[in-house]
Amino acid sequence: AQKITQTQPGMFVQEKEAVTLDCTYDTSDQSYGLFWYKQPSSGEMIFLIYQGSYDEQNATEGRYSLNFQKARKSANLVISASQLGDSAMYFCAMREGSFQKLVFGTGTRLLVSP
Amino acid sequence: DAGVIQSPRHEVTEMGQEVTLRCKPISGHNSLFWYRQTMMRGLELLIYFNNNVPIDDSGMPEDRFSAKMPNASFSTLKIQPSEPRDSAVYFCASSFAWGIGYNEQFFGPGTRLTVL
Repeated sequence: AQKITQTQPGMFVQEKEAVTLDCTYDTSDQSYGLFWYKQPSSGEMIFLIYQGSYDEQNATEGRYSLNFQKARKSANLVISASQLGDSAMYFCAMREGSFQKLVFGTGTRLLVSP
Repeated sequence: DAGVIQSPRHEVTEMGQEVTLRCKPISGHNSLFWYRQTMMRGLELLIYFNNNVPIDDSGMPEDRFSAKMPNASFSTLKIQPSEPRDSAVYFCASSFAWGIGYNEQFFGPGTRLTVL
Protein backbone atom coordinates (compact mmCIF):
# COMPACT_ATOMS: atom_id res chain seq x y z
CA ALA A 1 0.00 0.00 0.00
CA GLN A 2 1.14 3.50 -0.73
CA LYS A 3 2.29 5.31 2.36
CA ILE A 4 1.64 8.73 0.88
CA THR A 5 -0.97 9.37 -1.80
CA GLN A 6 -1.28 12.53 -3.79
CA THR A 7 -4.20 12.07 -6.14
CA GLN A 8 -3.86 15.31 -8.10
CA PRO A 9 -1.17 15.07 -10.76
CA GLY A 10 -1.80 18.70 -11.72
CA MET A 11 -3.66 21.69 -10.39
CA PHE A 12 -4.40 25.08 -11.87
CA VAL A 13 -5.14 28.23 -9.92
CA GLN A 14 -5.39 31.88 -10.72
CA GLU A 15 -3.11 34.36 -9.10
CA LYS A 16 -4.33 35.63 -5.71
CA GLU A 17 -6.70 32.72 -5.22
CA ALA A 18 -6.30 29.96 -2.66
CA VAL A 19 -5.56 26.37 -3.62
CA THR A 20 -5.61 23.08 -1.72
CA LEU A 21 -3.26 20.24 -2.57
CA ASP A 22 -4.38 16.88 -1.28
CA CYS A 23 -2.34 14.36 0.64
CA THR A 24 -3.46 11.20 2.41
CA TYR A 25 -1.20 8.91 4.34
CA ASP A 26 -1.16 5.41 5.70
CA THR A 27 0.51 4.46 8.94
CA SER A 28 -0.19 2.42 12.02
CA ASP A 29 2.26 4.41 14.12
CA GLN A 30 0.94 6.86 16.69
CA SER A 31 3.96 9.09 16.30
CA TYR A 32 4.70 10.44 12.86
CA GLY A 33 5.42 13.66 11.05
CA LEU A 34 4.11 15.09 7.82
CA PHE A 35 6.08 17.43 5.59
CA TRP A 36 5.46 19.42 2.45
CA TYR A 37 8.24 20.31 0.05
CA LYS A 38 8.22 22.50 -3.03
CA GLN A 39 10.30 21.73 -6.09
CA PRO A 40 10.47 24.57 -8.62
CA SER A 41 11.62 23.99 -12.17
CA SER A 42 15.18 24.71 -11.07
CA GLY A 43 15.08 21.38 -9.23
CA GLU A 44 15.89 22.14 -5.63
CA MET A 45 13.70 20.80 -2.81
CA ILE A 46 12.41 23.51 -0.51
CA PHE A 47 10.85 22.68 2.85
CA LEU A 48 7.52 24.42 3.39
CA ILE A 49 5.74 23.15 6.46
CA TYR A 50 5.63 20.40 9.09
CA GLN A 51 2.85 18.81 11.11
CA GLY A 52 3.48 16.39 13.97
CA SER A 53 0.94 13.72 14.75
CA TYR A 54 0.53 15.01 18.28
CA ASP A 55 0.18 18.63 17.31
CA GLU A 56 -3.24 19.93 18.29
CA GLN A 57 -3.19 22.93 16.00
CA ASN A 58 -2.87 22.96 12.25
CA ALA A 59 0.57 24.15 11.20
CA THR A 60 0.91 27.49 9.46
CA GLU A 61 3.88 29.17 7.81
CA GLY A 62 3.07 32.45 6.13
CA ARG A 63 0.80 31.74 3.18
CA TYR A 64 1.04 28.00 3.75
CA SER A 65 -1.18 26.09 6.11
CA LEU A 66 -1.68 22.42 6.65
CA ASN A 67 -5.21 21.11 7.04
CA PHE A 68 -4.54 18.12 9.30
CA GLN A 69 -7.41 15.68 9.71
CA LYS A 70 -6.01 12.83 11.74
CA ALA A 71 -9.06 10.57 11.67
CA ARG A 72 -9.18 10.81 7.91
CA LYS A 73 -5.39 10.53 7.64
CA SER A 74 -5.15 13.56 5.47
CA ALA A 75 -2.68 16.43 5.50
CA ASN A 76 -3.68 18.83 2.78
CA LEU A 77 -1.57 21.87 1.96
CA VAL A 78 -3.42 25.14 1.56
CA ILE A 79 -1.70 27.99 -0.24
CA SER A 80 -3.48 31.29 0.18
CA ALA A 81 -3.18 34.22 -2.21
CA SER A 82 -1.31 32.25 -4.88
CA GLN A 83 1.58 33.92 -6.62
CA LEU A 84 3.18 33.17 -9.98
CA GLY A 85 6.26 31.97 -8.13
CA ASP A 86 4.20 29.23 -6.50
CA SER A 87 4.17 27.32 -9.79
CA ALA A 88 6.12 24.18 -8.97
CA MET A 89 5.86 20.53 -7.99
CA TYR A 90 4.68 19.95 -4.43
CA PHE A 91 5.52 16.82 -2.51
CA CYS A 92 3.94 15.49 0.63
CA ALA A 93 6.15 13.27 2.80
CA MET A 94 5.88 11.30 6.01
CA ARG A 95 8.30 10.25 8.72
CA GLU A 96 7.15 7.34 10.89
CA GLY A 97 8.00 6.76 14.52
CA SER A 98 11.61 7.28 15.47
CA PHE A 99 12.86 6.62 11.98
CA GLN A 100 14.40 9.56 10.20
CA LYS A 101 13.60 8.49 6.67
CA LEU A 102 10.99 10.33 4.67
CA VAL A 103 8.60 8.62 2.29
CA PHE A 104 7.43 10.91 -0.47
CA GLY A 105 4.26 11.03 -2.52
CA THR A 106 4.29 11.30 -6.29
CA GLY A 107 3.76 15.03 -6.21
CA THR A 108 1.30 17.56 -7.58
CA ARG A 109 2.28 20.05 -10.25
CA LEU A 110 0.75 23.45 -9.51
CA LEU A 111 0.43 26.05 -12.21
CA VAL A 112 -0.51 29.57 -11.21
CA SER A 113 -1.86 31.70 -14.02
CA PRO A 114 -2.03 35.51 -14.15
CA ASP B 1 25.37 29.77 6.13
CA ALA B 2 26.20 27.24 3.45
CA GLY B 3 23.53 24.70 2.73
CA VAL B 4 24.09 21.12 1.67
CA ILE B 5 26.75 21.05 -1.01
CA GLN B 6 26.77 18.43 -3.75
CA SER B 7 29.24 17.83 -6.50
CA PRO B 8 29.27 17.51 -9.37
CA ARG B 9 26.04 19.22 -10.34
CA HIS B 10 25.94 17.40 -13.65
CA GLU B 11 27.64 14.18 -14.67
CA VAL B 12 27.55 12.50 -18.03
CA THR B 13 29.27 9.15 -18.28
CA GLU B 14 29.26 6.02 -20.35
CA MET B 15 27.82 2.72 -19.33
CA GLY B 16 30.27 0.69 -17.32
CA GLN B 17 32.14 3.62 -15.87
CA GLU B 18 32.43 4.32 -12.17
CA VAL B 19 30.57 7.36 -10.89
CA THR B 20 31.17 9.05 -7.55
CA LEU B 21 28.78 11.64 -6.17
CA ARG B 22 29.83 13.79 -3.26
CA CYS B 23 27.98 15.53 -0.48
CA LYS B 24 28.90 17.93 2.29
CA PRO B 25 26.08 18.21 4.85
CA ILE B 26 25.25 21.30 6.84
CA SER B 27 27.69 21.75 9.70
CA GLY B 28 26.27 20.39 12.95
CA HIS B 29 23.79 18.05 11.31
CA ASN B 30 24.07 14.44 12.38
CA SER B 31 21.90 12.71 9.80
CA LEU B 32 22.55 12.42 6.09
CA PHE B 33 20.30 11.03 3.40
CA TRP B 34 20.78 10.04 -0.23
CA TYR B 35 17.69 10.17 -2.46
CA ARG B 36 17.17 9.40 -6.12
CA GLN B 37 14.51 11.08 -8.24
CA THR B 38 13.25 9.67 -11.52
CA MET B 39 10.09 10.19 -13.50
CA MET B 40 9.12 6.55 -13.12
CA ARG B 41 9.82 6.03 -9.41
CA GLY B 42 9.61 9.53 -8.00
CA LEU B 43 11.72 10.41 -4.97
CA GLU B 44 13.08 7.39 -3.18
CA LEU B 45 15.44 7.09 -0.27
CA LEU B 46 18.56 5.10 -1.03
CA ILE B 47 20.37 5.18 2.29
CA TYR B 48 20.70 7.27 5.38
CA PHE B 49 23.36 7.74 8.02
CA ASN B 50 23.11 8.85 11.59
CA ASN B 51 26.32 9.97 13.28
CA ASN B 52 28.23 8.63 10.27
CA VAL B 53 26.79 5.13 10.67
CA PRO B 54 24.55 3.67 7.95
CA ILE B 55 21.14 3.09 9.51
CA ASP B 56 18.97 2.01 6.62
CA ASP B 57 20.29 1.00 3.22
CA SER B 58 17.22 -0.94 2.15
CA GLY B 59 16.66 1.47 -0.72
CA MET B 60 20.03 0.84 -2.34
CA PRO B 61 19.08 -0.79 -5.64
CA GLU B 62 21.84 -3.36 -5.89
CA ASP B 63 25.45 -4.11 -5.16
CA ARG B 64 26.59 -1.69 -7.81
CA PHE B 65 25.66 1.10 -5.40
CA SER B 66 27.66 1.87 -2.32
CA ALA B 67 27.74 4.81 0.08
CA LYS B 68 30.20 5.93 2.69
CA MET B 69 30.39 8.60 5.30
CA PRO B 70 33.96 8.70 6.59
CA ASN B 71 33.33 11.75 8.75
CA ALA B 72 30.58 14.15 9.75
CA SER B 73 31.27 16.53 6.89
CA PHE B 74 31.52 14.28 3.88
CA SER B 75 29.69 11.46 2.16
CA THR B 76 29.98 9.70 -1.17
CA LEU B 77 27.62 7.65 -3.27
CA LYS B 78 29.38 5.42 -5.75
CA ILE B 79 27.95 3.50 -8.68
CA GLN B 80 30.20 0.89 -10.22
CA PRO B 81 29.60 -0.06 -12.96
CA SER B 82 27.02 2.50 -14.03
CA GLU B 83 24.10 1.62 -16.30
CA PRO B 84 21.71 3.78 -18.33
CA ARG B 85 18.88 3.03 -15.90
CA ASP B 86 20.88 4.79 -13.18
CA SER B 87 20.23 8.09 -14.94
CA ALA B 88 18.43 10.27 -12.40
CA VAL B 89 18.83 13.25 -10.13
CA TYR B 90 20.55 12.28 -6.91
CA PHE B 91 19.86 14.41 -3.88
CA CYS B 92 21.73 14.55 -0.64
CA ALA B 93 19.91 15.91 2.42
CA SER B 94 20.92 16.48 6.00
CA SER B 95 19.16 17.13 9.28
CA PHE B 96 19.80 17.40 12.97
CA ALA B 97 18.01 14.41 14.44
CA TRP B 98 17.24 14.56 18.12
CA GLY B 99 14.81 11.69 18.31
CA ILE B 100 11.12 11.66 17.71
CA GLY B 101 9.99 15.01 16.52
CA TYR B 102 10.46 17.69 13.97
CA ASN B 103 13.57 16.94 11.97
CA GLU B 104 13.45 19.00 8.82
CA GLN B 105 15.67 17.69 6.09
CA PHE B 106 17.59 20.25 4.10
CA PHE B 107 18.25 19.19 0.53
CA GLY B 108 21.23 19.89 -1.64
CA PRO B 109 20.83 21.10 -5.23
CA GLY B 110 21.14 17.58 -6.60
CA THR B 111 23.42 15.89 -9.11
CA ARG B 112 21.91 15.16 -12.48
CA LEU B 113 23.46 11.92 -13.69
CA THR B 114 23.21 10.76 -17.27
CA VAL B 115 24.59 7.37 -18.19
CA LEU B 116 24.88 6.83 -21.93
